[in-house]
Amino acid sequence: EVQLVESGGGLVQPGRSLKLSCVASGFTFSNYGMNWIRQAPGKGLEWVAYISSGSSYIYYAETVKGRFTISRDNAKNTLYLQMTSLRSEDTALYYCARPDRGGGFDYWGQGVMVTVSS
Amino acid sequence: DIQMTQSPASLSASLGETVTIECRASEDIYNGLAWYQQKPGKSPQLLIYNANSLHTGVPSRFSGSGSGTQYSLKINSLQSEDVASYFCQQYYDYPPYTFGAGTKLELK
Repeated sequence: EVQLVESGGGLVQPGRSLKLSCVASGFTFSNYGMNWIRQAPGKGLEWVAYISSGSSYIYYAETVKGRFTISRDNAKNTLYLQMTSLRSEDTALYYCARPDRGGGFDYWGQGVMVTVSS
Repeated sequence: DIQMTQSPASLSASLGETVTIECRASEDIYNGLAWYQQKPGKSPQLLIYNANSLHTGVPSRFSGSGSGTQYSLKINSLQSEDVASYFCQQYYDYPPYTFGAGTKLELK
């Protein structure tokens, strides 16, 4: 069974940093590119970042470029999101998601909440 | 970036009714479109990919159609468990992947 389990969220002050993790199981993690997608409270979905299976290709949304860093450790089956210079508008539930071979994202984690507030 | 315009924002329907949700892309996305269902407090679930292909395990009352810039999700014979928010997403041209703003479906 495919599972994605995020952790590392919490309450953080503006300007501070936080690192999220997503542990994958039930599939060959090293064969898949992975994504972070976020959802502000009561709002829609916003794609945040993508990393290819071997970390050769990395893309970011303009809203986080230069502040967030996506990375992965295939030996540990773990995806990361290092977030710096956090702003109130980064407050959201952060999901890791696996892309389906046919298109779209077929598996999502349960999400981890990040709240940026003083 | 490709913008996705989804309508309506909210929808109220009766059990057994047929419901249609629309999504318009700002340019041709060549069927690179997915639909998701998100129930309250849960993660999104993939329903449809490639505009009209049903994801594994999704009930056949869900269907997708469209081409070019105009796409739709249809739910036949609405069930109580279909109460949720629905989102479209384009993956034809990325980055970025872009989502519609969502449609909240409630029972009348």
